[in-house]
Amino acid sequence: AQKVTQAQTEISVVEKEDVTLDCVYETRDTTYYLFWYKQPPSGELVFLIRRNSFDEQNEISGRYSWNFQKSTSSFNFTITASQVVDSAVYFCALSGGVSGGYQKVTFGTGTKLQVIP
Amino acid sequence: DAGVIQSPRHEVTEMGQEVTLRCKPISGHDYLFWYRQTMMRGLELLIYFNNNVPIDDSGMPEDRFSAKMPNASFSTLKIQPSEPRDSAVYFCASSLNQLSGYTFGSGTRLTVV
Repeated sequence: AQKVTQAQTEISVVEKEDVTLDCVYETRDTTYYLFWYKQPPSGELVFLIRRNSFDEQNEISGRYSWNFQKSTSSFNFTITASQVVDSAVYFCALSGGVSGGYQKVTFGTGTKLQVIP
Repeated sequence: DAGVIQSPRHEVTEMGQEVTLRCKPISGHDYLFWYRQTMMRGLELLIYFNNNVPIDDSGMPEDRFSAKMPNASFSTLKIQPSEPRDSAVYFCASSLNQLSGYTFGSGTRLTVV
């Protein structure tokens, strides 16, 4: 069975601080995909990134960066110089080929990030 | 593209009534998903379709729930009869293919009183 654990339920930071959101996953699949989604207070879910299990290179997109480490089954998300607009709930998610198909995405419980001005 | 469109945005209904949620996926997307979000259970996949065919409905909680996709541009999720524990935000999402990320709709907030 697949499982995604986001141990941090809520995090508060002061604007301009860096913050890292942790994600640990479990899967029996050798090929799988990891995702991050953002849910701002308005409620919609916004896709941020998809990473496959064969690509362990870190990725940077503006102030966002992702660190994928297969050895520790982690896919952490860092926001550099946080801004108030980053306040949202962030979900880590996983899909795998054997465990129900690549389309069957399992979401973590989310981390609520509050950026204080 | 207008994105994934869900209606209604909010629905308040009395216990025992039938509720129908609607979704229009992004044109050209082969996959459509229905998710439910609650504080207690987080985001749960209810059912998904590929090319209008239901592939996995193992997440549908019980027989009171049914979903259809009569064509590539429309899907419904029906609850009959509704119960207070069905109160949640229901999201529809679509994706281009098996490996792409989802695009979610804005969700329907359902309250059953």
